[in-house]
Amino acid sequence: KNEVEQSPQNLTAQEGEFITINCSYSVGISALHWLQQHPGGGIVSLFMLSSGKKKHGRLIATINIQEKHSSLHITASHPRDSAVYICAVLVGNQFYFGTGTSLTVIP
Amino acid sequence: DAGVIQSPRHEVTEMGQEVTLRCKPISGHNSLFWYRQTMMRGLELLIYFNNNVPIDDSGMPEDRFSAKMPNASFSTLKIQPSEPRDSAVYFCASSPTGQGLTEAFFGQGTRLTVV
Repeated sequence: KNEVEQSPQNLTAQEGEFITINCSYSVGISALHWLQQHPGGGIVSLFMLSSGKKKHGRLIATINIQEKHSSLHITASHPRDSAVYICAVLVGNQFYFGTGTSLTVIP
Repeated sequence: DAGVIQSPRHEVTEMGQEVTLRCKPISGHNSLFWYRQTMMRGLELLIYFNNNVPIDDSGMPEDRFSAKMPNASFSTLKIQPSEPRDSAVYFCASSPTGQGLTEAFFGQGTRLTVV
């Protein structure tokens, strides 16, 4: 059983669409990270959340601790947003990673 | 700052050889992490250091893997002897104050191929 589940696994959107990627986890956590991996392989840390909501540009991340759920939203999506988005949760000293959501934004 | 710097970017080696991956964290960051990414297992945390001290190495797959951080500006991940199943992308990341408290900054990764 995977402690972290992401959905959808693959997502194709038209440029300009509002996108939501979901992450659910089954254990108590101290923090949750959203990571972005570009087609070239580099990984960028987008957000670290322990409660509430964070916004950076067109990206918004929310977390509901009681429901053990987080969402990553992208407003006005753009082809350069095409990447794999990975959810990672911190449980004690251990990180658990989701399998990622592959996003393709079509012009 | 140039960010987290990893070397080499690509490494191809024969089974049985020793492989050393290198990482220079961002200056002033207290925590350093080594990750491995494969198609089968996704992204896995191997080990992390805080103030140069290994805190949790439970993710290290087996005794063939070892990691050191002799000072605040340098870390190595060594595999000896290497095996084809070690082929993966290895990422190093650093964080200012600890893994749960702030965002981590990732290097570009080292793509290891063991033939």
